[in-house]
Amino acid sequence: DIQMTQSPSSLSTSIGDRVTITCRASQSVDTFLNWYQQRPGSAPKLLIYAASSLQSGVPSRFSGSGSGTTFTLTISSLQPEDFATYYCQQTFTFPYTFGQGTKLDI
Amino acid sequence: QITLKESGPTLVKPTQTLTLTCSFSGFSLSKNGVGVGWVRQPPGKALEWLALIYWDDDKFYSPSLKNRLTLTKDTAKSQVVLTVTNMDPVDTATYYCIHPAINWRGERYFDPWGPGILVTVSS
Repeated sequence: DIQMTQSPSSLSTSIGDRVTITCRASQSVDTFLNWYQQRPGSAPKLLIYAASSLQSGVPSRFSGSGSGTTFTLTISSLQPEDFATYYCQQTFTFPYTFGQGTKLDI
Repeated sequence: QITLKESGPTLVKPTQTLTLTCSFSGFSLSKNGVGVGWVRQPPGKALEWLALIYWDDDKFYSPSLKNRLTLTKDTAKSQVVLTVTNMDPVDTATYYCIHPAINWRGERYFDPWGPGILVTVSS
């Protein structure tokens, strides 16, 4: 299985901060890498697919980059609704695997 | 607009079989390339992919649970059923139904997700 490792696991941040979350794969996943946001009590929501494509309706302050084994999710200016847990996921090969999550705290 | 919703028991006893139904709208599971899948999340823990079924009845299962999982589809009813045998307290989780989308390069992603159903395993 491909292991996905996110860093940091948690991050204390403030409104307006620029935040970068890193996801590393144990082997290359090309650009088959997605990012999801999960607010407490809600289902995950797709933010970024194919490493850098912004899902329709997602604010442009979210961006993704990377290929191969190292990827980043960047939030350019944190808004109150962005305090949530973020997961990366590879769909390069089965079994599809998720990172352990990164929780953004105020 | 694609929507999915999970239904089934919220409490099962150890060793019992869990049967969950995903009812969906906005797409047809008879269409080329279309699929439905499941993901679960134990309380306070990370997401875990479980299984996918496609329009041609091709199925993919998580190796760690493969012997316990079965997917079936009812195209006419727009439903997919997941069964998990021999349930254990460690299987307590929110189970999500997902729609696996695909772009022109073949890159897959899960969108949208159902609201999820919390299943507790306890005697």
